[in-house]
Amino acid sequence: GDSVTQMEGPVTLSEEAFLTINCTYTATGYPSLFWYVQYPGEGLQLLLKATKADDKGSNKGFEATYRKETTSFHLEKGSVQVSDSAVYFCAMEYGNKLVFGAGTILRVKS
Amino acid sequence: DGGITQSPKYLFRKEGQNVTLSCEQNLNHDAMYWYRQDPGQGLRLIYYSQIVNDFQKGDIAEGYSVSREKKESFPLTVTSAQKNPTAFYLCASSPRERNTEAFFGQGTRLTVV
Repeated sequence: GDSVTQMEGPVTLSEEAFLTINCTYTATGYPSLFWYVQYPGEGLQLLLKATKADDKGSNKGFEATYRKETTSFHLEKGSVQVSDSAVYFCAMEYGNKLVFGAGTILRVKS
Repeated sequence: DGGITQSPKYLFRKEGQNVTLSCEQNLNHDAMYWYRQDPGQGLRLIYYSQIVNDFQKGDIAEGYSVSREKKESFPLTVTSAQKNPTAFYLCASSPRERNTEAFFGQGTRLTVV
């Protein structure tokens, strides 16, 4: 069935390190893809999105490229900050349903 | 300001009691969703509704019920049949058009005591 798989955490990095969080999806068509971020005790906020193959979503220094050939949407940031510590969810919208990955905890140390 | 509001933020329930979680949006969105979040399991879809007076079961609907009598409101009832109801519940809404993101409420943390 339709599903999203993302790398397990927690991911612990030092400030200014490079971040990659892997995400792959399984779907019979071409879904829209999203990254959401959740800060402690809050709901989810949209971080970025891509709606078709080779699209690149970007926001706040984060980027992700929709790769149809590898069914992937990996999240990257060149230099993380302590304030980026949160849970990151990869998601896809398919058939008017949003399907989420399990979430990856990111901890950034100063 | 437009947004989606969940209440209450914290809720305690005794075993065997039903409880209703509120979700209201003033974004004029057609679609609304309820998710359950448990540590290490991400978000699991409980119910969703694409239009007023219609809703569909998600992946973990057993022990839950919903109604969609108004576009703005999508309350979730956690019944006594739900075996393990302690969790963080998130409501979301989105336009029906494809490729649009969902907007989330702040969540309700339900604890069964």
